Amino acid sequence: GDSVTQMEGPVTLSEEAFLTINCTYTATGYPSLFWYVQYPGEGLQLLLKATKADDKGSNKGFEATYRKETTSFHLEKGSVQVSDSAVYFCALSVGSGGGADGLTFGKGTHLIIQP
Amino acid sequence: DAGVTQSPTHLIKTRGQQVTLRCSPKSGHDTVSWYQQALGQGPQFIFQYYEEEERQRGNFPDRFSGHQFPNYSSELNVNALLLGDSALYLCASSLERLQETQYFGPGTRLLVL
Repeated sequence: GDSVTQMEGPVTLSEEAFLTINCTYTATGYPSLFWYVQYPGEGLQLLLKATKADDKGSNKGFEATYRKETTSFHLEKGSVQVSDSAVYFCALSVGSGGGADGLTFGKGTHLIIQP
Repeated sequence: DAGVTQSPTHLIKTRGQQVTLRCSPKSGHDTVSWYQQALGQGPQFIFQYYEEEERQRGNFPDRFSGHQFPNYSSELNVNALLLGDSALYLCASSLERLQETQYFGPGTRLLVL
Protein backbone atom coordinates (compact mmCIF):
# COMPACT_ATOMS: atom_id res chain seq x y z
CA GLY A 1 0.00 0.00 0.00
CA ASP A 2 0.86 3.66 -0.08
CA SER A 3 3.17 4.93 2.65
CA VAL A 4 5.18 7.97 3.71
CA THR A 5 8.37 7.90 5.75
CA GLN A 6 9.77 11.02 7.33
CA MET A 7 12.67 11.67 9.66
CA GLU A 8 12.09 11.09 13.32
CA GLY A 9 12.07 14.02 15.66
CA PRO A 10 12.36 16.09 17.59
CA VAL A 11 14.62 18.23 15.46
CA THR A 12 16.16 21.09 17.44
CA LEU A 13 17.79 24.02 15.64
CA SER A 14 18.94 27.50 16.48
CA GLU A 15 17.20 30.50 14.97
CA GLU A 16 18.43 31.34 11.44
CA ALA A 17 19.74 27.81 10.87
CA PHE A 18 19.08 25.90 7.65
CA LEU A 19 16.31 23.30 7.86
CA THR A 20 15.85 20.03 6.03
CA ILE A 21 13.18 17.49 6.94
CA ASN A 22 13.44 14.36 4.83
CA CYS A 23 10.40 12.64 3.35
CA THR A 24 10.25 9.61 1.08
CA TYR A 25 7.20 7.81 -0.22
CA THR A 26 5.88 4.61 -1.75
CA ALA A 27 2.80 4.83 -3.91
CA THR A 28 0.92 3.16 -6.70
CA GLY A 29 0.32 5.51 -9.58
CA TYR A 30 1.41 9.12 -9.56
CA PRO A 31 0.74 10.79 -6.23
CA SER A 32 0.38 14.41 -5.30
CA LEU A 33 2.65 15.35 -2.40
CA PHE A 34 2.02 17.69 0.50
CA TRP A 35 3.53 19.19 3.60
CA TYR A 36 1.12 20.02 6.41
CA VAL A 37 2.03 21.87 9.61
CA GLN A 38 0.41 21.64 13.03
CA TYR A 39 1.23 24.56 15.33
CA PRO A 40 0.73 24.07 19.08
CA GLY A 41 -2.96 24.07 19.93
CA GLU A 42 -4.04 24.47 16.31
CA GLY A 43 -5.35 22.26 13.53
CA LEU A 44 -3.48 20.94 10.51
CA GLN A 45 -2.70 23.54 7.87
CA LEU A 46 -1.48 22.99 4.34
CA LEU A 47 2.02 24.40 3.99
CA LEU A 48 2.79 23.53 0.36
CA LYS A 49 2.10 20.96 -2.31
CA ALA A 50 3.33 19.59 -5.64
CA THR A 51 1.22 17.57 -8.03
CA LYS A 52 3.74 16.25 -10.56
CA ALA A 53 7.38 15.31 -10.89
CA ASP A 54 9.91 18.18 -10.70
CA ASP A 55 7.27 20.61 -9.40
CA LYS A 56 8.45 22.80 -6.55
CA GLY A 57 5.99 23.83 -3.86
CA SER A 58 6.79 26.91 -1.79
CA ASN A 59 5.20 28.96 0.96
CA LYS A 60 6.40 31.15 3.86
CA GLY A 61 10.04 30.56 2.89
CA PHE A 62 9.63 26.77 2.87
CA GLU A 63 10.27 24.77 -0.28
CA ALA A 64 10.01 21.16 -1.41
CA THR A 65 10.67 19.59 -4.82
CA TYR A 66 8.85 16.48 -6.07
CA ARG A 67 11.64 14.05 -7.01
CA LYS A 68 10.17 11.03 -8.77
CA GLU A 69 13.54 9.35 -9.34
CA THR A 70 14.28 9.26 -5.61
CA THR A 71 10.60 9.17 -4.49
CA SER A 72 11.30 12.09 -2.18
CA PHE A 73 9.78 15.41 -1.17
CA HIS A 74 12.19 16.94 1.34
CA LEU A 75 11.17 20.14 3.12
CA GLU A 76 13.73 22.97 3.30
CA LYS A 77 13.98 26.48 4.67
CA GLY A 78 17.00 28.69 4.50
CA SER A 79 16.62 30.50 7.83
CA VAL A 80 14.20 29.25 10.47
CA GLN A 81 12.50 31.36 13.09
CA VAL A 82 11.19 30.54 16.55
CA SER A 83 7.67 30.84 15.12
CA ASP A 84 8.39 27.84 12.84
CA SER A 85 8.32 25.54 15.86
CA ALA A 86 5.59 23.02 15.10
CA VAL A 87 4.96 19.45 13.95
CA TYR A 88 5.42 18.91 10.21
CA PHE A 89 3.67 16.12 8.30
CA CYS A 90 4.52 14.85 4.85
CA ALA A 91 1.55 13.35 3.00
CA LEU A 92 0.50 11.95 -0.33
CA SER A 93 -2.70 11.50 -2.27
CA VAL A 94 -3.20 9.14 -5.18
CA GLY A 95 -6.16 10.26 -7.17
CA SER A 96 -7.15 13.04 -9.48
CA GLY A 97 -4.16 15.10 -8.46
CA GLY A 98 -5.58 18.01 -6.56
CA GLY A 99 -5.43 16.49 -3.14
CA ALA A 100 -9.12 16.10 -2.50
CA ASP A 101 -8.78 12.33 -2.09
CA GLY A 102 -7.86 10.54 1.12
CA LEU A 103 -4.39 11.51 2.32
CA THR A 104 -1.69 9.14 3.57
CA PHE A 105 0.44 10.85 6.22
CA GLY A 106 3.86 10.25 7.70
CA LYS A 107 4.28 10.13 11.46
CA GLY A 108 5.29 13.77 11.74
CA THR A 109 8.49 15.58 12.69
CA HIS A 110 8.50 17.84 15.72
CA LEU A 111 10.63 20.92 14.99
CA ILE A 112 11.91 23.04 17.87
CA ILE A 113 13.64 26.34 17.12
CA GLN A 114 15.64 27.90 19.94
CA PRO A 115 16.33 31.66 20.07
CA ASP B 1 -15.79 32.88 6.33
CA ALA B 2 -16.12 30.04 8.81
CA GLY B 3 -13.61 27.26 8.51
CA VAL B 4 -14.21 23.62 9.33
CA THR B 5 -15.89 23.20 12.71
CA GLN B 6 -16.18 20.07 14.82
CA SER B 7 -18.12 19.13 17.92
CA PRO B 8 -17.65 18.28 20.65
CA THR B 9 -14.06 19.33 21.35
CA HIS B 10 -13.52 16.62 23.95
CA LEU B 11 -15.38 13.45 24.84
CA ILE B 12 -14.94 10.65 27.38
CA LYS B 13 -16.59 7.27 26.85
CA THR B 14 -16.24 3.77 28.26
CA ARG B 15 -15.48 0.57 26.40
CA GLY B 16 -18.42 -0.87 24.49
CA GLN B 17 -20.24 2.44 24.19
CA GLN B 18 -21.10 4.22 20.97
CA VAL B 19 -20.07 7.75 19.98
CA THR B 20 -21.10 10.30 17.34
CA LEU B 21 -18.83 13.11 16.24
CA ARG B 22 -19.98 16.01 14.08
CA CYS B 23 -18.38 18.16 11.42
CA SER B 24 -19.46 21.23 9.47
CA PRO B 25 -17.37 21.84 6.35
CA LYS B 26 -15.85 25.10 5.26
CA SER B 27 -18.39 27.31 3.52
CA GLY B 28 -18.84 26.22 -0.10
CA HIS B 29 -17.20 22.82 0.35
CA ASP B 30 -19.11 19.65 -0.56
CA THR B 31 -16.74 16.83 0.37
CA VAL B 32 -15.89 15.69 3.89
CA SER B 33 -13.13 13.33 4.99
CA TRP B 34 -12.48 11.87 8.44
CA TYR B 35 -9.12 10.97 9.96
CA GLN B 36 -7.96 9.36 13.19
CA GLN B 37 -4.77 10.71 14.78
CA ALA B 38 -3.35 8.66 17.63
CA LEU B 39 -0.99 10.39 20.03
CA GLY B 40 2.40 10.98 18.43
CA GLN B 41 1.28 9.62 15.06
CA GLY B 42 0.18 11.04 11.75
CA PRO B 43 -3.49 11.13 10.84
CA GLN B 44 -4.96 7.98 9.28
CA PHE B 45 -7.70 8.22 6.66
CA ILE B 46 -11.00 6.68 7.75
CA PHE B 47 -13.38 7.57 4.91
CA GLN B 48 -14.65 10.32 2.64
CA TYR B 49 -18.19 11.43 1.85
CA TYR B 50 -19.44 13.15 -1.27
CA GLU B 51 -23.04 13.59 -2.40
CA GLU B 52 -24.18 11.89 0.80
CA GLU B 53 -22.37 8.66 -0.05
CA GLU B 54 -19.15 7.07 1.16
CA ARG B 55 -16.75 7.41 -1.74
CA GLN B 56 -13.46 6.21 -0.33
CA ARG B 57 -12.56 4.19 2.74
CA GLY B 58 -9.31 3.53 4.55
CA ASN B 59 -8.37 0.44 6.52
CA PHE B 60 -10.89 0.76 9.35
CA PRO B 61 -13.42 -1.82 10.58
CA ASP B 62 -17.16 -1.58 10.05
CA ARG B 63 -17.52 -0.25 13.60
CA PHE B 64 -16.64 3.06 12.01
CA SER B 65 -19.49 4.47 9.96
CA GLY B 66 -20.55 7.86 8.76
CA HIS B 67 -23.17 9.99 7.21
CA GLN B 68 -23.33 13.14 5.15
CA PHE B 69 -26.36 15.39 5.19
CA PRO B 70 -27.83 17.49 2.36
CA ASN B 71 -26.17 20.60 3.81
CA TYR B 72 -22.80 18.74 3.45
CA SER B 73 -22.24 18.41 7.19
CA SER B 74 -21.16 14.99 8.37
CA GLU B 75 -21.18 12.61 11.31
CA LEU B 76 -18.70 9.92 12.30
CA ASN B 77 -20.12 7.06 14.38
CA VAL B 78 -18.03 4.53 16.22
CA ASN B 79 -19.72 1.48 17.79
CA ALA B 80 -18.44 -0.91 20.45
CA LEU B 81 -15.64 1.42 21.49
CA LEU B 82 -12.24 -0.05 22.29
CA LEU B 83 -9.46 1.49 24.35
CA GLY B 84 -7.47 1.78 21.12
CA ASP B 85 -10.08 4.13 19.66
CA SER B 86 -8.77 6.88 21.93
CA ALA B 87 -7.43 9.51 19.55
CA LEU B 88 -7.94 12.91 17.97
CA TYR B 89 -10.56 12.67 15.22
CA LEU B 90 -10.07 15.17 12.44
CA CYS B 91 -12.54 16.29 9.84
CA ALA B 92 -11.39 17.84 6.58
CA SER B 93 -13.40 19.41 3.79
CA SER B 94 -12.76 20.18 0.14
CA LEU B 95 -14.56 21.20 -3.03
CA GLU B 96 -14.94 18.32 -5.47
CA ARG B 97 -15.30 20.56 -8.53
CA LEU B 98 -11.94 22.26 -7.99
CA GLN B 99 -10.17 19.16 -6.62
CA GLU B 100 -8.52 21.39 -4.06
CA THR B 101 -6.54 20.36 -1.06
CA GLN B 102 -8.36 19.56 2.14
CA TYR B 103 -8.90 22.04 4.97
CA PHE B 104 -8.83 20.55 8.45
CA GLY B 105 -10.87 21.27 11.53
CA PRO B 106 -9.44 21.44 15.07
CA GLY B 107 -10.54 17.90 15.89
CA THR B 108 -12.45 16.07 18.60
CA ARG B 109 -10.37 14.37 21.25
CA LEU B 110 -11.94 11.07 22.30
CA LEU B 111 -10.83 9.21 25.39
CA VAL B 112 -12.10 5.66 25.91
CA LEU B 113 -11.78 4.32 29.44
